[in-house]
Amino acid sequence: NAGVTQTPKFRVLKTGQSMTLLCAQDMNHEYMYWYRQDPGMGLRLIHYSVGEGTTAKGEVPDGYNVSRLKKQNFLLGLESAAPSQTSVYFCASSYSRADPGSYEQYFGPGTRLTVT
Amino acid sequence: EDKVVQSPLSLVVHEGDTVTLNCSYEVTNFRSLLWYKQEKKAPTFLFMLTSSGIEKKSGRLSSILDKKELFSILNITATQTGDSAIYLCAVENNNAGNMLTFGGGTRLMVKP
Repeated sequence: NAGVTQTPKFRVLKTGQSMTLLCAQDMNHEYMYWYRQDPGMGLRLIHYSVGEGTTAKGEVPDGYNVSRLKKQNFLLGLESAAPSQTSVYFCASSYSRADPGSYEQYFGPGTRLTVT
Repeated sequence: EDKVVQSPLSLVVHEGDTVTLNCSYEVTNFRSLLWYKQEKKAPTFLFMLTSSGIEKKSGRLSSILDKKELFSILNITATQTGDSAIYLCAVENNNAGNMLTFGGGTRLMVKP
């Protein structure tokens, strides 16, 4: 199993450009999440999904959109990048509480995004 | 708004020392508290705590939760250089989606 993978690993954007970050998981997890991590601030939830075709806002959703067209994929879009979106982005996935076993979140390796 | 505060912010110790990391929280509807270790990249899961007073243990690492005083500690005994990492504490709100609120982390450096 590859676990949780993210594409790309690094990206530099200019202000106003758009891009999509791709997250894929092969563990058949129902739930998926996008976080951003900034120095000294831990991880902050941007958006999440509790199943295919569903999305919901997290703590810091402004400036981002997401889609979950397939269970294994969760896409994070930046329509018009701003320097404040310079960060490391992590995707995570987990089982739902309805599934047997533990439901801790598994994280991908991260995408380092710089907006100039 | 849920809140998690970790202390200390950073810590430098020598191999063989014992360290205690602290996590205090405020959450509207508590379900669980989790500890993660983050080295260069992805956080990796250490413990999930749901009940007060029951210690979770894995090798040299252990953790305990106090739901009355709203805190948890993570202990690492006989530290090794491989324990150098950022340790993250998170609380889960008992709502849909298993959403986590993370603290800012404690950066631990273990010197040889």
